[in-house]
Amino acid sequence: DAKTTQPPSMDCAEGRAANLPCNHSTISGNEYVYWYRQIHSQGPQYIIHGLKNNETNEMASLIITEDRKSSTLILPHATLRDTAVYYCIVPNSGNTPLVFGKGTRLSVIA
Amino acid sequence: GAVVSQHPSRVICKSGTSVKIECRSLDFQATTMFWYRQFPKQSLMLMATSNEGSKATYEQGVEKDKFLINHASLTLSTLTVTSAHPEDSSFYICSAETGEQLYEQYFGPGTRLTVT
Repeated sequence: DAKTTQPPSMDCAEGRAANLPCNHSTISGNEYVYWYRQIHSQGPQYIIHGLKNNETNEMASLIITEDRKSSTLILPHATLRDTAVYYCIVPNSGNTPLVFGKGTRLSVIA
Repeated sequence: GAVVSQHPSRVICKSGTSVKIECRSLDFQATTMFWYRQFPKQSLMLMATSNEGSKATYEQGVEKDKFLINHASLTLSTLTVTSAHPEDSSFYICSAETGEQLYEQYFGPGTRLTVT
């Protein structure tokens, strides 16, 4: 998988936007960026994915830079239940198993 | 959304015994399921890819004779940890693809195995 780099941890105040960055400078033209999160002692949960355009769903927004070398996951109004490890993944084309890096541990603070 | 279940959620077994973990896709058919293992404070590590009706593909360093995987139907894959040892104690997580969106995997809630 294309290498991704994420900060190991971040804090966010409850109710504020959480902006989680991810660098993927070696991404190739047809590779997607996927975001998952894992709440403690649970299985990972799919959040969102994108290729070139910014994406938004009921959970989050994904902003991808024009050169596609980095992206930001935005949780617009973070709640305590958003405390989790967030994984940014760029799968190899044609290789379906997801390979998880270390992710970013987001702590939402009341 | 697609739901994946695992059973049991927690299991404690004695060293030397075998433990079977089930992974089920509840509302969709999954031709491919994946098994991961997660040690405390570490990320998920892919163990194997399970394809319905064929032999599983194991990642390097994962013993196929110790971690037996069976994917006999489109909704069920099982992982059997044979002759368990304390170092096999871990959080085991399965996932399944719906086939509708590439890489959009749905994960089970995980099974915490403790070997005493």
